[in-house]
Amino acid sequence: GQQVMQIPQYQHVQEGEDFTTYCNSSTTLSNIQWYKQRPGGHPVFLIQLVKSGEVKKQKRLTFQFGEAKKNSSLHITATQTTDVGTYFCAGPGAGTASKLTFGTGTRLQVTL
Amino acid sequence: DADVTQTPRNRITKTGKRIMLECSQTKGHDRMYWYRQDPGLGLRLIYYSFDVKDINKGEISDGYSVSRQAQAKFSLSLESAIPNQTALYFCATSSWGQGSGANVLTFGAGSRLTVL
Repeated sequence: GQQVMQIPQYQHVQEGEDFTTYCNSSTTLSNIQWYKQRPGGHPVFLIQLVKSGEVKKQKRLTFQFGEAKKNSSLHITATQTTDVGTYFCAGPGAGTASKLTFGTGTRLQVTL
Repeated sequence: DADVTQTPRNRITKTGKRIMLECSQTKGHDRMYWYRQDPGLGLRLIYYSFDVKDINKGEISDGYSVSRQAQAKFSLSLESAIPNQTALYFCATSSWGQGSGANVLTFGAGSRLTVL
């Protein structure tokens, strides 16, 4: 079945450093979504990318969708302590856009 | 009030007991899901329902069952709980369509289940 892997599994950075998480799917995706889960919280939708090679920005966050639509990345510039949490990518399974397969997640820790 | 409400938020039970986790939503979404979260494994889909008469197995449905009592209610049952079902369970909803916001999941706050 479809597999979605993320690397790294965990990263610890100093506040102000940049951070990137990578998402790789075993199958081509029609779109990809990113979610953030704060410690003790629930996943919250961040963004959806649909087009091959698409790049979207949300303030300090930059999201990319690969040309082959099998990989994606999230880059945070100048991390802040509010960025702490686990970031998940998710892509639709075969046959339905509504059944998402989630990546394994990248847990980000930011210290002063 | 939360758009997606899960009860109970925490539950400790013993092996062999029957447990039901409930989920209700005020989003008006037709699609509802149950996910399980374990450290390092991400979120794995247990069951999903696209409308009241539709129930589908996800990737890890063994040992679980669901009921879609109404468009707004979707419950998850563990008929005979076992310790490896200890996890954080999330209910989620989505709408169907092609427009902005369609197929995006809204999660409940989660139900933490411990099976001793």
